[in-house]
Amino acid sequence: AQSVTQLGSHVSVSEGALVLLRCNYSSSVPPYLFWYVQYPNQGLQLLLKYTSAATLVKGINGFEAEFKKSETSFHLTKPSAHMSDAAEYFCAVTGNDYKLSFGAGTTVTVRA
Amino acid sequence: DAEITQSPRHKITETGRQVTLACHQTWNHNNMFWYRQDLGHGLRLIHYSYGVQDTNKGEVSDGYSVSRSNTEDLPLTLESAASSQTSVYFCASSDGTGVEQYFGPGTRLTVT
Repeated sequence: AQSVTQLGSHVSVSEGALVLLRCNYSSSVPPYLFWYVQYPNQGLQLLLKYTSAATLVKGINGFEAEFKKSETSFHLTKPSAHMSDAAEYFCAVTGNDYKLSFGAGTTVTVRA
Repeated sequence: DAEITQSPRHKITETGRQVTLACHQTWNHNNMFWYRQDLGHGLRLIHYSYGVQDTNKGEVSDGYSVSRSNTEDLPLTLESAASSQTSVYFCASSDGTGVEQYFGPGTRLTVT
């Protein structure tokens, strides 16, 4: 079985500052890992995915995440926050059964 | 372009009524999923299907049912709606690799 823990339900950053969202996973098989973003009253949009290729994964909108097996982590970062990054972010993991297990989500607020 | 649609987008119903939420995808994907999203819980898996005539229970399946009579559709039925089923419901699909799921826009269901 797979599971994900997102550390911090709310993160507030200043515009231009680093965005760091933490995600730790548990999986009995080599995992596929994902970050999704959800803007208010919208569906989920895939930011990036790790599928056992490069451990540093680049996604859309300047986001990237690094897979660290030794730490069972898949933290999401963006060097410089923009007002448009205000949203809820979900980390998710899947294994051989194709089912996604989601974290509880982290809401990002960007201060001007 | 291929897509995944959900209907209705918003639904208000009364306790005890039967409700069916529709999900239709034109990706020709074998795998289809239903999730519910609640504050503090992220998305949780309700039911899923790996193909026609195949259905499986997810993490929070009590009070819900699905049927898969063709590749394109996986309707979700609430047999007797309860206030605890007030939520936002997302449908998703994935292909045979199962690596990435594509999400519909969601249905906001209120049970009064």
